[in-house]
Amino acid sequence: AQRVTQPEKLLSVFKGAPVELKCNYSYSGSPELFWYVQYSRQRLQLLLRHISRESIKGFTADLNKGETSFHLKKPFAQEEDSAMYYCALWMDSSYKLIFGSGTRLLVRP
Amino acid sequence: NAGVMQNPRHLVRRRGQEARLRCSPMKGHSHVYWYRQLPEEGLKFMVYLQKENIIDESGMPKERFSAEFPKEGPSILRIQQVVRGDSAAYFCASSPPGSPYEQYFGPGTRLTVT
Repeated sequence: AQRVTQPEKLLSVFKGAPVELKCNYSYSGSPELFWYVQYSRQRLQLLLRHISRESIKGFTADLNKGETSFHLKKPFAQEEDSAMYYCALWMDSSYKLIFGSGTRLLVRP
Repeated sequence: NAGVMQNPRHLVRRRGQEARLRCSPMKGHSHVYWYRQLPEEGLKFMVYLQKENIIDESGMPKERFSAEFPKEGPSILRIQQVVRGDSAAYFCASSPPGSPYEQYFGPGTRLTVT
């Protein structure tokens, strides 16, 4: 069955520390993966797509098909990165996004 | 472009009443998705609509829930005879033609059933 797993509900780091938010997926097709972010009192917004291979706000994510992972990384966390982060899998066979349960990132000063 | 609009932002209903949630997609977007988020959980797909068509409703509960996206006006998610378990945040997203994966989300409607 298709599934997205984010094993950490909360990740707390100090400002300037590296961050890695884990995401694993299960999908028999060709995966297309996304990271969405929701800042406090704001709507969910797309952070990045694996296919575009870009870095947004210093975040990067690499698709590892062997490990079925799409971890989100940032070398130096900032306080303004504190938010909920959701990993999502696009199923092109059925035109739907499957979301993980989310990880709350808290960056302490 | 004002983005995806949802109203109301908060809705309180007593058990047995009906809830109507509205979603206006971004200008030029022809695809609408509804998601439900229960406390401490991620967003769960409910239904995918295009104008006047339900494309995929595999995530909708079989009873009491319905959705529409008429030719004119917003998309409506309707929950009849609400129960406490329907309390959740309901999010709508829209996407442009040809890019269904490029979803823009609304602020959500928080439904509380008392």
